[in-house]
Amino acid sequence: QSALTQPPSVSGSPGQSVTISCTGTSSDVGSYNRVSWYQQPPGTAPKLMIYEVSNRPSGVPDRFSGSKSGNTASLTISGLQAEDEADYYCSSYTSSSTHVVFGGGTKLTVL
Amino acid sequence: QVQLQESGPGLVKPSETLSLTCAVSGYSISSGYYWGWIRQPPGKGLEWIGSIYHSGSTYYNPSLKSRVTISVDTSKNQFSLKLSSVTAADTAVYYCARQNAAAGRIFDYWGQGTLVTVSS
Repeated sequence: QSALTQPPSVSGSPGQSVTISCTGTSSDVGSYNRVSWYQQPPGTAPKLMIYEVSNRPSGVPDRFSGSKSGNTASLTISGLQAEDEADYYCSSYTSSSTHVVFGGGTKLTVL
Repeated sequence: QVQLQESGPGLVKPSETLSLTCAVSGYSISSGYYWGWIRQPPGKGLEWIGSIYHSGSTYYNPSLKSRVTISVDTSKNQFSLKLSSVTAADTAVYYCARQNAAAGRIFDYWGQGTLVTVSS
């Protein structure tokens, strides 16, 4: 069982917006602005898309945005494109001995 | 451009030790950052295994700590993973990655991953 909870799947049509949630606890998401998001297309390695809740690494389109409220972080993808179809994982720093925890992943389908 | 490349046997027998190496190019491990291992069982999510600093200090996932050893060889600019007493549950794609502790311990560069199957 993953430490962070994500919906198994979300879907949207091209051009639409989708939001993926990531729920943790006061030991991780709720206490630290250290939430990150990774994109993993089938058969490839994860790619960092968002770090520290809402920062985008160089080269990541501004269609990807992140936010946080309480123990829940969110990734929003606007103007959906076919190439966005992938698994998305959230991650957070945690005060537990693991220091870093991942969510179970969300499969995004572009209809 | 930082690049990482995993290497090692793709098949390991039960009860034996899994050994993988991650070669880093485009950045000197001695310059800083943590360097980590993450695995992903087929069809499942990501699990952090452990990380090592260039100085050699390590921290491991408590659920695997008793079986894991991560080491670094700065002269070869590479780091390694050993996982002992493996079972079928250790079958997974194993990734190495650079870990940025200053930015919340994010993994900003990843290797392509290598599938390790545990089977007799």
